Amino acid sequence: KAGVTQTPRYLIKTRGQQVTLSCSPISGHRSVSWYQQTPGQGLQFLFEYFSETQRNKGNFPGRFSGRQFSNSRSEMNVSTLELGDSALYLCASSLAANTDTQYFGPGTRLTVL
Amino acid sequence: GNSVTQMEGPVTLSEEAFLTINCTYTATGYPSLFWYVQYPGEGLQLLLKATKADDKGSNKGFEATYRKETTSFHLEKGSVQVSDSAVYFCALTLDTGRRALTFGSGTRLQVQP
Repeated sequence: KAGVTQTPRYLIKTRGQQVTLSCSPISGHRSVSWYQQTPGQGLQFLFEYFSETQRNKGNFPGRFSGRQFSNSRSEMNVSTLELGDSALYLCASSLAANTDTQYFGPGTRLTVL
Repeated sequence: GNSVTQMEGPVTLSEEAFLTINCTYTATGYPSLFWYVQYPGEGLQLLLKATKADDKGSNKGFEATYRKETTSFHLEKGSVQVSDSAVYFCALTLDTGRRALTFGSGTRLQVQP
């Protein structure tokens, strides 16, 4: 069974631009979560989607948003990019609403210049 | 709030040495506890987990026991290999069905031949 896939793997943007990252969960998984990993702040939870509904949101500004489609694929969007948004963005999927084990993708490395 | 504290790295060991990486947590409620591993350039892989007090998670020779009385979940391995070199993250989720992982800062392990 294929794992979690994320596209693109690498991205370079400039300040003020916006970016959209994509995540395809493991087949059959209905929950998708997003995390930001930076050297300074470590791994931080962004948001979680289940059945196209946002169930939980971390402490990030409104410039960070996401959505989930009916096939469970998810996208996250960051608008008005700042230098501090440079990070590895990780997507994780889990089977259902009451399972706590998450499987991570390889991440998208975003660099903001 | 919830938090996870890990020992500072890097931890440098010779091949076949015994490994301990300390992890303690603070949580409201009864968390599930996890160890994730991140190899260079990759996302996170679930290493092991434990969902209630006194449970022992184990995988690939690694073990960790959920100690409620000391709020700890230390990772151990009896004989490390060069291929174990990676960054190890301790994490928790609460048992409310919300899968937002709270991570520790990570501990880099370097195993020398």
